[in-house]
This record gives sequence, structure tokens and C-alpha cells, in this order.
Amino acid sequence: EAGVAQSPRYKIIEKRQSVAFWCNPISGHATLYWYQQILGQGPKLLIQFQNNGVVDDSQLPKDRFSAERLKGVDSTLKIQPAKLEDSAVYLCASSYRGYEQYFGPGTRLTVT
Amino acid sequence: QQPVQSPQAVILREGEDAVINCSSSKALYSVHWYRQKHGEAPVFLMILLKGGEQKGHDKISASFNEKKQQSSLYLTASQLSYSGTYFCGTENLGTTDSWGKLQFGAGTQVVVTP
Repeated sequence: EAGVAQSPRYKIIEKRQSVAFWCNPISGHATLYWYQQILGQGPKLLIQFQNNGVVDDSQLPKDRFSAERLKGVDSTLKIQPAKLEDSAVYLCASSYRGYEQYFGPGTRLTVT
Repeated sequence: QQPVQSPQAVILREGEDAVINCSSSKALYSVHWYRQKHGEAPVFLMILLKGGEQKGHDKISASFNEKKQQSSLYLTASQLSYSGTYFCGTENLGTTDSWGKLQFGAGTQVVVTP
């Protein structure tokens, strides 16, 4: 069974630039999550989708972050414009029943 | 509200045991445990549900005290492969339509030495 795929794996941008991350969940997993993990901390949920609807985005900085999940499969997370404090690993996870979450390898973002 | 994990770090020799604690100020529906090795994604270890259902993993087990909103992860007869950072993720009671909405603790770094 293929795991959660993410791209790119690494991205370096300057502040005020924009960036987008892509996630392809495990086939059949209705729930998709985007997390931000700052070095030395636990993952922080940014947004949760159930199929193509948003279940929770209470911790998403909506003035600069946006996410969509078209057709209930792939998802993209965008940051525009980026700030220095956005430097982190962005993890995508998917789940079939809301129990085990399967994480992708993450995208390490460095904002200079 | 983020759960609180303790200790922050622990160093073990192979074969020794350790306990990692996770505490929340909110009433919990479930506690999830994940292990993350350096530079890798978190990997699911187990989930403990309100009511006592538990799914374990090899020689790693856990308990869930619903009254105290606390969970403990037990690393028994530790192996070198147990090294990594352990995170608890808590799901609050009363959250609807948000299966698996987790708040993660800051993590406990475990180092197992030969």
C-alpha cells in the first residue's frame, strides 16, 4: 500500500514570497490533515478536511495560509506572503476512520 | 490546550524500562501515541479510547486514566530501535464531526544506548 506522498521535500524562499505544498493521501482515506511542526515542538494542526469539506481550520492563519482539497483526494497548502516564523516542517497526514493517522515525509520550509 | 508531557528526555541502556507521561486539563475522548525518529515522519504506535479500548504495539504498552485525564506510555525491555521522540496526541471529549482532531504535546526524547 502506497503511503502519503508530499512534495516538494525541501523549499527555501525569501520572506514575502509565496509557496505551495502538495499532498496525496492514502487511497480511500477520507480525512486529511495539515500540520506545522516547528523544530523541537510537536505537530500543530493547521487544517482538517473530511472528503473535500473543511472540518476544522481554527488554527490556520487565514490572512496568509490557504488550503484546498479538490475532489476529496489531493490537497494543496499555500502560504502567501511567507514570514520568517513560517520556517518549519509541514506534514500531511491521512486517516480512514480518524484513528491512526499516517503521516507523509513532510516538506521542510526555510524562509530567509 | 496542548497536553503536557514528562519527562522532556530520558536516556536508557538497552533492556531498561521507562515511563512517559501525558497530562491534559481537558476531559479526553482518546489519547494517541506516536514516535518520530530524527528527520522522519511520526509513526502511529497506539490509541487509547475512553472506555478502556486499547491497541498495543510489541513491548510498548500504555494506560489511560480517564478521571485524571492522564496517559502513560511504558517502554519495557527497551531496544535500540526505541530511540526517538515520543508524542502524545489528545482528542477532547465533546468534539463532534472532527474525528482525530489532535493536540500534540511537546514530545519526550528517548535515547537508548547499547
